Amino acid sequence: DQQVKQNSPSLSVQEGRISILNCDYTNSMFDYFLWYKKYPAEGPTFLISISSIKDKNEDGRFTVFLNKSAKHLSLHIVPSQPGDSAVYFCAATPTQGGSEKLVFGKGTKLTVNP
Amino acid sequence: EAQVTQNPRYLITVTGKKLTVTCSQNMNHEYMSWYRQDPGLGLRQIYYSMNVEVTDKGDVPEGYKVSRKEKRNFPLILESPSPNQTSLYFCASSITLMGADTQYFGPGTRLTVL
Repeated sequence: DQQVKQNSPSLSVQEGRISILNCDYTNSMFDYFLWYKKYPAEGPTFLISISSIKDKNEDGRFTVFLNKSAKHLSLHIVPSQPGDSAVYFCAATPTQGGSEKLVFGKGTKLTVNP
Repeated sequence: EAQVTQNPRYLITVTGKKLTVTCSQNMNHEYMSWYRQDPGLGLRQIYYSMNVEVTDKGDVPEGYKVSRKEKRNFPLILESPSPNQTSLYFCASSITLMGADTQYFGPGTRLTVL
């Protein structure tokens, strides 16, 4: 049973436009959510996170929104750049940011076209 | 340079031949873990370690062993590999257990078991 779902395997956007990546979760015990970015032949790198006590967290061009009632979060990238082309993983944990119960989604491959 | 290294990066082996994938970090991190990434399944945690001599099972530990004799090293051992262990493996580390958003990933080891 998938606890963290990324239903869009891929997304293609034009440079300069907004990219919106979505993630749904089923476990109501999750209290901390993260997005990781992965380039080919490299390991994932942390991008941005949000605690369940917040509904928005912003870091430069990246903003994560959390809707707890809908068990849904989204990552907005504005403006999108070709260097943002990568696979994005949504992850969640029930341990306030601990790593030991980290659950990942399947990932969404983002392609930003020049 | 802060990094997590894995060796080998690529390995093709045969069923039943014991192998070890090494993982080393140079950041004095307490927490280390192993993940596997499979198409359509995202990243799944195999084992993790909160400190030297402290290890615990993740979501998919069957067929794997780990040890943590030194803080910097966390090898993954496959005593009798099988084809269903063909996967992309990532080692990760963070300062403490409560560091999912400071987790560094290694570059990955692509294992094929024939």
